[in-house]
Amino acid sequence: AQSVTQPDIHITVSEGASLELRCNYSYGATPYLFWYVQSPGQGLQLLLKYFSGDTLVQGIKGFEAEFKRSQSSFNLRKPSVHWSDAAEYFCAASPRGGADGLTFGKGTHLIIQP
Amino acid sequence: DAGVTQSPTHLIKTRGQHVTLRCSPISGHKSVSWYQQVLGQGPQFIFQYYEKEERGRGNFPDRFSARQFPNYSSELNVNALLLGDSALYLCASSLVDRGDTFGSGTRLTVV
Repeated sequence: AQSVTQPDIHITVSEGASLELRCNYSYGATPYLFWYVQSPGQGLQLLLKYFSGDTLVQGIKGFEAEFKRSQSSFNLRKPSVHWSDAAEYFCAASPRGGADGLTFGKGTHLIIQP
Repeated sequence: DAGVTQSPTHLIKTRGQHVTLRCSPISGHKSVSWYQQVLGQGPQFIFQYYEKEERGRGNFPDRFSARQFPNYSSELNVNALLLGDSALYLCASSLVDRGDTFGSGTRLTVV
């Protein structure tokens, strides 16, 4: 079955420190990959997406993600976090050419320490 | 430009009732998808519509149905509401067959 795993439920990072959120996927073929952010009570905002090509993807708000086929991973990174980055982060995937919608991980709750 | 708009933003229903949720996609977007997000979980795929045709359906009971109109707006209907249907319902739209711009959602509470 297709699945997306975010191993870390909570992550605490000091303001100004670097961040890496992990995401692993299990699909028969490489899917399309996405990272979304959700603030409390809000909808989802797309940070970045990977379809093909360069495995390092740049997104909004200073985020980037690296696709590693050998590890079935798509980890999200930011060199220096800001207090406003505190939110829930979701990794998602969808099959190429399919109509199965997005499969989301359970999310990682990011806490920023002053 | 207006983003994906959903209405209502909140509503409370009683068990056994029916509910209709509405979504207006970004202008020019022909694909609309619906997701259910239970508190503390990631969203789960319910339906995808493209050019007014159902393209995909998630693992939800037949109490859930949807349709897309000629102007590409969409409705999600849920019959015989259960307490477990309480959730944030999210709509997403995109140009092609994969929704990736989400609205702010409708918070449904079933009592």
